[in-house]
Amino acid sequence: AQSVAQPEDQVNVAEGNPLTVKCTYSVSGNPYLFWYVQYPNRGLQFLLKYITGDNLVKGSYGFEAEFNKSQTSFHLKKPSALVSDSALYFCAVRDINSSASKIIFGSGTRLSIRP
Amino acid sequence: DGGITQSPKYLFRKEGQNVTLSCEQNLNHDAMYWYRQDPGQGLRLIYYSQIVNDFQKGDIAEGYSVSREKKESFPLTVTSAQKNPTAFYLCASSMRVGTYEQYFGPGTRLTVT
Repeated sequence: AQSVAQPEDQVNVAEGNPLTVKCTYSVSGNPYLFWYVQYPNRGLQFLLKYITGDNLVKGSYGFEAEFNKSQTSFHLKKPSALVSDSALYFCAVRDINSSASKIIFGSGTRLSIRP
Repeated sequence: DGGITQSPKYLFRKEGQNVTLSCEQNLNHDAMYWYRQDPGQGLRLIYYSQIVNDFQKGDIAEGYSVSREKKESFPLTVTSAQKNPTAFYLCASSMRVGTYEQYFGPGTRLTVT
């Protein structure tokens, strides 16, 4: 079975500081991993994905994520936070070896950037 | 929310009534999905479709039905059998199921009283 966990319900960061939003996963095979962002009363927007290759993935709006196979993690990072980054962030995983076609979403982490 | 439209944005219904939520995409994507979002629970998959005239149940399909008669359209019907229908419903599409990222519509907030 596949699963994904976002251990922090909320992350608070001062503007200009680096930010990290944590994600860990569990799959039986190799994972496909995704990050999405959701602004209030809106749909989710795709940020970045890891399929294979370089462990450091760069995405939209200056975000990046690092795939760590030994720690089964895919943390989202940004070197310098903006107030406009405040939103709800979702990590998602799909097991590459699974016959099921669905992606599993984490419960979300609310990121709050204070001026 | 590029290329996927959901209507209406807000929907109110009386208990016991069926209601259909619209989802249309112009991205030429094969796969479409319906999710339900409740506070603190992330997204839960209701149904998905990999191709026209085919769809599969997700994790919480009970009380819901779908159809996929056209590539562009994937309507969701919330039936009176759904015990707790009040939620935010999100439609998504992807080029195909698998490695491809999903594109989401703006959502429909359904309130049943």
